[in-house]
Amino acid sequence: DTAVSQTPKYLVTQMGNDKSIKCEQNLGHDTMYWYKQDSKKFLKIMFSYNNKELIINETVPNRFSPKSPDKAHLNLHINSLELGDSAVYFCASSQKPRISGGNYNEQFFGPGTRLTVL
Amino acid sequence: QQQVKQSPQSLIVQKGGISIINCAYENTAFDYFPWYQQFPGKGPALLIAIRPDVSEKKEGRFTISFNKSAKQFSLHIMDSQPGDSATYFCAASIPAGQNFVFGPGTRLSVLP
Repeated sequence: DTAVSQTPKYLVTQMGNDKSIKCEQNLGHDTMYWYKQDSKKFLKIMFSYNNKELIINETVPNRFSPKSPDKAHLNLHINSLELGDSAVYFCASSQKPRISGGNYNEQFFGPGTRLTVL
Repeated sequence: QQQVKQSPQSLIVQKGGISIINCAYENTAFDYFPWYQQFPGKGPALLIAIRPDVSEKKEGRFTISFNKSAKQFSLHIMDSQPGDSATYFCAASIPAGQNFVFGPGTRLSVLP
């Protein structure tokens, strides 16, 4: 029944390593996102994909690369991890926004992946 | 222009009291204003949302008040309960926009 799932839930790794976080949604949505939430709880969008195409690529280091094998999956690869990458990463999904009515563009968030870089 | 400001940063309310969180924005192109609720260890979840064609929306104990001319909107939680203790984020989106701009969050604690 899980709508948006992420794995792993916790990830502890050394500086310089390469790691991946996986995300899957079973809502039939066509847009998926990655957000970073820092220690102060500030939530900032990193990437947005619509139908497997990158729409938004906020100013993030190119060590971060999203990969969307299909509409239901959006994985996040991080190369050469740095201490400052430690945060909680959230995947989210939404349906293509409707112009009128309803919970226009509601985003459904996954449970988060807490990344700790040592 | 893309910022959404939110206050207070933290809020402590007694059980049964009213919790009020305020947000302000600059970009007049924003046309969708949701509030998200996040419990510790969980992802944010949509609580209530409003479009600028109405000045108020109420769902149970939660009410959004929207002032288009002042470019401000607020969340009111009536009869606050300890179970409401969470971090609340306001956000804004442009028409057909898939990019939300989130406020910095308000940590609400409701004392029993």
